[in-house]
Amino acid sequence: AQSVTQLDSQVPVFEEAPVELRCNYSSSVSVYLFWYVQYPNQGLQLLLKYLSGSTLVKGINGFEAEFNKSQTSFHLRKPSVHISDTAEYFCAVSPTYNNNDMRFGAGTRLTVKP
Amino acid sequence: EADIYQTPRYLVIGTGKKITLECSQTMGHDKMYWYQQDPGMELHLIHYSYGVNSTEKGDLSSESTVSRIRTEHFPLTLESARPSHTSQYLCASSASEGSPLHFGNGTRLTVT
Repeated sequence: AQSVTQLDSQVPVFEEAPVELRCNYSSSVSVYLFWYVQYPNQGLQLLLKYLSGSTLVKGINGFEAEFNKSQTSFHLRKPSVHISDTAEYFCAVSPTYNNNDMRFGAGTRLTVKP
Repeated sequence: EADIYQTPRYLVIGTGKKITLECSQTMGHDKMYWYQQDPGMELHLIHYSYGVNSTEKGDLSSESTVSRIRTEHFPLTLESARPSHTSQYLCASSASEGSPLHFGNGTRLTVT
């Protein structure tokens, strides 16, 4: 089975500063990797995904993530955050053969301060 | 833009009541899921469906049941609600393997 560890439960940052949200995973099979964002009182929305190919993946709202197979990591980055980026961010991993086994991390709460 | 709809958004109900959480999607996705979400915890899969008349339990033990009579509809039922069922329930769908999940806005259930 897969597992996901989000290394920071909370990340406070000032507006316009860069941010990195860390995600490590473990799996014995090939995986797809995802980052989702959850705004208050809403469901999860897809930010970006890695299926194959280039290890640097660009997503919506200026976010990007880099897949590092040797370190089994998929960290999310943004060079300059906005107040509106305040939300909960979830890293997820699923085997390439089965979406039913998608595993989510516990989430990282990003708080952007003025 | 929500292509997957959950009702009600909030529900407060007494112990022992039967409840059904509704989930509908307009994308024609075959695969649908129910997740339970608690603060600071990972999402836990409680039920999923490959298509009409297909339902499976997820990895989190749950006293709920689901049905899939139509592609677009995947309701979750609790026969007898208990305070331990207090949680947020998220419905999701996907087109195929490797496709991301599309989530509804959730139902926040409180059992008193």
